[in-house]
Amino acid sequence: AQKITQTQPGMFVQEKEAVTLDCTYDTSDPSYGLFWYKQPSSGEMIFLIYQGSYDQQNATEGRYSLNFQKARKSANLVISASQLGDSAMYFCAMRGIIQGAQKLVFGQGTRLTINP
Amino acid sequence: NAGVMQNPRHLVRRRGQEARLRCSPMKGHSHVYWYRQLPEEGLKFMVYLQKENIIDESGMPKERFSAEFPKEGPSILRIQQVVRGDSAAYFCASSPSPGEAPQETQYFGPGTRLLVL
Repeated sequence: AQKITQTQPGMFVQEKEAVTLDCTYDTSDPSYGLFWYKQPSSGEMIFLIYQGSYDQQNATEGRYSLNFQKARKSANLVISASQLGDSAMYFCAMRGIIQGAQKLVFGQGTRLTINP
Repeated sequence: NAGVMQNPRHLVRRRGQEARLRCSPMKGHSHVYWYRQLPEEGLKFMVYLQKENIIDESGMPKERFSAEFPKEGPSILRIQQVVRGDSAAYFCASSPSPGEAPQETQYFGPGTRLLVL
């Protein structure tokens, strides 16, 4: 079965600092995708970034980058130059192509608080 | 291009009543997924539907829950005889294509917050 583990229930960071949110995963699928979503206090789920298991380079989207270490089965999200609006819950998720190919499996989330 | 639409945004029901949650996917998307989020937890997959077909309902409780995605109109998640444990946020997501590739991104609606009194 696929599993996502986010070990940081909460993170507190000063504005403008960089922050790394941890995510480890477990799967036996040969090909899979890893996703990060942001959930602000308003409740919606906002897609941030995607990393494919066979992608040669780490994904980047603006201030977001994904530190993908396949051998360690980790896909940490890095947010550079954090802003107050980055305060939210962050979820790591994955999907494979064989085991339950259509569904996303989510971690428990990390609550990020940016302090001014 | 409108995003995924869900309504109602908030729904209050008494124990034993029925709850109907609606989801209209993004334009051009024909694949719908329902997820449930209990307080302080991550999202859990419930069901995946294409038009007029349930493809994967492995995450749906066996009783009281049903889902449909008719040829015309929104997808409906129906919960009969609700209990307090059904209180949660229910999210709908959609994707454009068969979604067989791992990179197929699912775009989420704003969710329906169900409160059972």
